[in-house]
Amino acid sequence: QKEVEQNSGPLSVPEGAIASLNCTYSDRGSQSFFWYRQYSGKSPELIMSIYSNGDKEDGRFTAQLNKASQYVSLLIRDSQPSDSATYLCAVNEGAGGTSYGKLTFGQGTILTVHP
Amino acid sequence: DAGVIQSPRHEVTEMGQEVTLRCKPISGHDYLFWYRQTMMRGLELLIYFNNNVPIDDSGMPEDRFSAKMPNASFSTLKIQPSEPRDSAVYFCASSWVWENTEAFFGQGTRLTVV
Repeated sequence: QKEVEQNSGPLSVPEGAIASLNCTYSDRGSQSFFWYRQYSGKSPELIMSIYSNGDKEDGRFTAQLNKASQYVSLLIRDSQPSDSATYLCAVNEGAGGTSYGKLTFGQGTILTVHP
Repeated sequence: DAGVIQSPRHEVTEMGQEVTLRCKPISGHDYLFWYRQTMMRGLELLIYFNNNVPIDDSGMPEDRFSAKMPNASFSTLKIQPSEPRDSAVYFCASSWVWENTEAFFGQGTRLTVV
């Protein structure tokens, strides 16, 4: 059973702070890693993807991947109230071109950024 | 492109009735996925198609659930008969075959079975 675990939260940070979201996965064969943001009552939307070990930055978001530790994280700098949402970590087997988009999701971490 | 389109957005039905959810993927995408989201189980994959062919339906909870994709632009998820525990948000998503691509989600169908 492939599993994706996220820090349970909820996580509350003040506006302007750094929010740190963590995720571990069980399947060493996983190839692609994603962070989705989901506002209440809305569909998940992709905010970051990462495929290689190390850091990947996009604006205020930084994704970090460590395949040896089977660990993925998302940092949100200068957090804004509009960042308040559920953040879903997702892992894709991606092996042999047969499962792109077949994602295993974590339970999600609820983030609240308070003014 | 308008994105992945699902209908209806909301469905309320009585236990025992048949429910059909519909999805139009993004044009050109060759993978289509049906996910279900509940508070208890989170977001879980039910079934996915590649080039209209079902590839993995191991996530379909019971024989009451069935899915079809008669052509590249349309898919249905049917529940017959429906039960209260089927109440959830059902998402359709689509993607390309190319390596390291993302799945785009529709707006979801919120199903309530009373």
